[in-house]
Amino acid sequence: SQTIHQWPATLVQPVGSPLSLECTVEGTSNPNLYWYRQAAGRGLQLLFYSVGIGQISSEVPQNLSASRPQDRQFILSSKKLLLSDSGFYLCAWSGGLSLGAQYFGPGTRLLVL
Amino acid sequence: AQKITQTQPGMFVQEKEAVTLDCTYDTSDPSYGLFWYKQPSSGEMIFLIYQGSYDQQNATEGRYSLNFQKARKSANLVISASQLGDSAMYFCAMRETGSNYQLIWGAGTKLIIKP
Repeated sequence: SQTIHQWPATLVQPVGSPLSLECTVEGTSNPNLYWYRQAAGRGLQLLFYSVGIGQISSEVPQNLSASRPQDRQFILSSKKLLLSDSGFYLCAWSGGLSLGAQYFGPGTRLLVL
Repeated sequence: AQKITQTQPGMFVQEKEAVTLDCTYDTSDPSYGLFWYKQPSSGEMIFLIYQGSYDQQNATEGRYSLNFQKARKSANLVISASQLGDSAMYFCAMRETGSNYQLIWGAGTKLIIKP
């Protein structure tokens, strides 16, 4: 069966510091991968998605970037965090170009101080 | 215009009662998928149920069923015999072939089950 891992679970970082969040998927190959952010009490905002290694699409302009160095690894990064980067970050995968569901990891709570 | 509308920001329901969470959608794509997710306080987004636009029957998964009314463009989630553990945020989402298969999300409904 497929599983998706995210780490760390919680992160407190000072403004201006770098960020690296990692997401890995097991039990599937060539998945579509997604990074979402969720502000407190709000819905999900799609940040990036990837349909293959090295292929990244950005949905909103921002202080963040994403990379996919391996088929089942998706990394969310920032060179300098802003206060507004605080939130709950969720990674998800889906089975390619289909109308099937997206499956989510446990999420990372990021607090920028 | 909103593509996914969840009109109930919050609901209180007595334990063991059935509950219906509303979702309406807007699309001109003949092929689409509709989803419901549950997000408990832990934050993890849990996939509950899926309905395809060409499915003839309403989807069911255990205590969850999806009341799919295509002409009205509604996809309400029904939870039978609610339990305290059903307290959570519930999100309706849609995936269209025309939107590069991305999920379009509703704003969510906060469901609280009272003992």
